[in-house]
Amino acid sequence: AQKVTQAQTEISVVEKEDVTLDCVYETRDTTYYLFWYKQPPSGELVFLIRRNSFDEQNEISGRYSWNFQKSTSSFNFTITASQVVDSAVYFCALSEVNSGGYQKVTFGTGTKLQVIP
Amino acid sequence: ETGVTQSPTHLIKTRGQQVTLRCSSQSGHNTVSWYQQALGQGPQFIFQYYREEENGRGNFPPRFSGLQFPNYSSELNVNALELDDSALYLCASSFGTSGGYNEQFFGPGTRLTVL
Repeated sequence: AQKVTQAQTEISVVEKEDVTLDCVYETRDTTYYLFWYKQPPSGELVFLIRRNSFDEQNEISGRYSWNFQKSTSSFNFTITASQVVDSAVYFCALSEVNSGGYQKVTFGTGTKLQVIP
Repeated sequence: ETGVTQSPTHLIKTRGQQVTLRCSSQSGHNTVSWYQQALGQGPQFIFQYYREEENGRGNFPPRFSGLQFPNYSSELNVNALELDDSALYLCASSFGTSGGYNEQFFGPGTRLTVL
């Protein structure tokens, strides 16, 4: 069974600080996909990044960066120079394709980030 | 190109009632997945519809059922509502194939409150 663990329930940082959100996953599949989503108070899930299991290159997009380490089954997300607009709940998710051909996405419980001005 | 839309935005029902939630998928998408997100939790997969047929289901009882229409819009029906059904219900659409990854686009959700 697949599982995603986000051990940090809530994090508060002061604006301009860097912050790292942790994500650890479990899966038996060799092919899978990992994601990060942002959920602002409005409720809609905003896609941030997708990474497949064969691509362990770290990625940087503006102030966002992701560190994928298969050896430790982790996919951590760092926000550099945080801003108040980054305040939201962030979800890490894992997608597998089952034998039935459908795609099942398992989400973590989320990390609530509060950036204090 | 319109995104994923859901209706209604909010809904209040009483225990034992039935509810229908609706989702219009993004143009060109043929797959719809439904998720339940309880307060303070991550979304939980309910089921997925591909070309009008359910092709995957999470750990939800049969009183959670769905439909997908020829235009690929979808309904989620919940019978005999229980207090624990109170949650945000999210719909996600994608262009599905027989396997592999298909990026999902989420709608804004329907907030269901069961009293």
